[in-house]
This record gives sequence, C-alpha cells and structure tokens, in this order.
Amino acid sequence: ETGVTQTPRHLVMGMTNKKSLKCEQHLGHNAMYWYKQSAKKPLELMFVYNFKEQTENNSVPSRFSPECPNSSHLFLHLHTLQPEDSALYLCASSQGQNFNQETQYFGPGTRLLVL
Amino acid sequence: AQKITQTQPGMFVQEKEAVTLDCTYDTSDPSYGLFWYKQPSSGEMIFLIYQGSYDQQNATEGRYSLNFQKARKSANLVISASQLGDSAMYFCAMINAGNNRKLIWGLGTSLAVNP
Repeated sequence: ETGVTQTPRHLVMGMTNKKSLKCEQHLGHNAMYWYKQSAKKPLELMFVYNFKEQTENNSVPSRFSPECPNSSHLFLHLHTLQPEDSALYLCASSQGQNFNQETQYFGPGTRLLVL
Repeated sequence: AQKITQTQPGMFVQEKEAVTLDCTYDTSDPSYGLFWYKQPSSGEMIFLIYQGSYDQQNATEGRYSLNFQKARKSANLVISASQLGDSAMYFCAMINAGNNRKLIWGLGTSLAVNP
C-alpha cells in the first residue's frame, strides 16, 4: 500500500448505528487530518493530530469522536449521526514540521450516507 | 478576513488546448502558501502544485503552472495540452502563519475536457 488509504469507501448507516472510519498513511508523516466535504461548501477541517496528540477540534459535534493510536493510523468513530452528516469524509496527512509550507496528501475518502 | 475565491463554477476546454482556472485570495499575513488540488469523480484530492508567498518564480509541475500575481492576490492554475483525464474538480487552497495547519479552501471549478 502506498500513500493514504481509507476504509470503507462507502458507508450507509442509520441514525442509531455506531460505525468507524479508518485512515492509514504510509508516507512516514506525523500529522493527520479529518475533513468533511459537503456539496456547495468549502472543505471543512474537523480534527488535526500531530505526533498522536489532538491539536485541533474545529467545533465538531460530539457524535464524531476521533482516535489516533499512532502516527500512521487515524479513526473517526460515529454514533447517533444526523442525515445532515451525510458527506464525503477525507483523511489527509502531512509531515507535521512546518505547516505553512508542507503539502497535505489525501486519501480517497469515505462517502457516508445517514438514513 | 481570509478567503479563497474561485469565480468559475464550470469550465470547458478542447482536448490539447490550454486552460486557466482562476483563484484569488485574501490575507493580511505576509507569509502564506497556495495550493491547487484536483478531485476526480472518485473523490480523492490529488495535490498538483504549490506556491509560497516569497517564491520569486512561478511554480511549475509538468503540464501545470501557477500564474502568481502577488499584487493582485491571484494564483491562477494553467493547464497546458489538456487531456481527457484532466476532467475533474479543481480546488485552490491557502495556508498561512495566522491560520496554522488550517487550509482555507475555495468552492472549486469543474473542468470538462471535450474530445
């Protein structure tokens, strides 16, 4: 595997379900990100982890719970979601040294539909 | 306020011709970086090119070049010799010291390459 991978690629869940999104990066990076992409809106940054420590929580509802067990893996745990949470969830990683210059590399995303 | 504006919701170009995608930005920070990403229908956000605010020359990467007009606060992407595989959404994004780790995104431009 190379780059940034995400599983599952597609997910349909009911509002009472609990599910998790997984992201893995094979680039040796130290920073990882979760983004939400909804139609007609700019990408929304949700969470940032740097060296496994959460450094950013962009006012995300508690029904989204991130977990970063090591620098290569990032999870997004989902529970009691709402239909408006349906979106493309993108994971990204970067070196984590100089954020003003470094490029973020993205995974293929998980298309989530909440019924 | 920091902002990225992409004024072209949709663009068409004939195969093998060049196309320019517009991006203007707004920031008061003297140190910033500008990125262009491509997003095919599959969803993955693919990094194309980066321009730093202090870079003296316009960035180039293969068929992609960035027309950086600092005084006008514009960072247009030029794609030369368009190919059918260039059909995708294109996003301009900015990062700066005052907004550490947070990429500010435009709404994107949908490019269709006609055979």
